[in-house]
Amino acid sequence: ELKVEQNPLFLSMQEGKNYTIYCNYSTTSDRLYWYRQDPGKSLESLFVLLSNGAVKQEGRLMASLDTKARLSTLHITAAVHDLSATYFCAVDMFEGYQLIWGAGTKLIIKP
Amino acid sequence: KAGVTQTPRYLIKTRGQQVTLSCSPISGHRSVSWYQQTPGQGLQFLFEYFSETQRNKGNFPGRFSGRQFSNSRSEMNVSTLELGDSALYLCASSPRSQSSSYEQYFGPGTRLTVT
Repeated sequence: ELKVEQNPLFLSMQEGKNYTIYCNYSTTSDRLYWYRQDPGKSLESLFVLLSNGAVKQEGRLMASLDTKARLSTLHITAAVHDLSATYFCAVDMFEGYQLIWGAGTKLIIKP
Repeated sequence: KAGVTQTPRYLIKTRGQQVTLSCSPISGHRSVSWYQQTPGQGLQFLFEYFSETQRNKGNFPGRFSGRQFSNSRSEMNVSTLELGDSALYLCASSPRSQSSSYEQYFGPGTRLTVT
C-alpha cells in the first residue's frame, strides 16, 4: 500500500525566512504533484515532478524530486504572508490513475 | 478555457437521504476523478472515470457510486447518507495524456453537510 507522509504538518514562520516541507512516499511512483489549498477553497496545482532529479521553481517556491530516496521537497525562500496556505503533496499510483495524498502542511507566515 | 465546474456548491441533507453531485470537466478532458476531503481523514480518492468507464475505485462502501456521460460530465451519488459523509467533495479532470503529465485540475468542490 502506498503511503505518503508530509512533515511538518504545521509550520509557523516569520516573513523573510526560508523553510522546507518534506514529502516521503513508500513505494515506486513516477509522478509527484504539489498543490496549494487556501481555507475554504479548492486545490491549486503548483508543480508536477516527473523524473528523478526534477527541479521546478515558481517565484519563492521550489520543488524537487529524488525518486531513489522517495523524497520530494518544497522549499520556501524569503517567505511572504501571501504564501500562507495548506500545501499538499500527492503521488500518482503507477498505472493506477489515482492520487494518494499527504496529510498536508499548514503554513502560517507572520508579518 | 473554462475550468472544472461542480454543482451544487453547498448541500444540506438528512441522514438516510441520497444525494447526487455533478461535475463538468475542462473541455477536452476525458478523465474525471472524485475525492473526499474531511478534517479527520484528509483527501481520499473515490473513483476515476475515463471515456465512461470506471478505471479505479478507492476504499469506500458501495453507497458511493458514480458515472460518466459521453460528454465527459460526471456524477457521483451517495445513498443512505450518514453523518460521516459530511465532507468537501472535489472533482478533478485531466486530459490523461503524456504530453499533459497527467496533471489534474480541480473544481471548487461541493460542501455536503449531513444532519
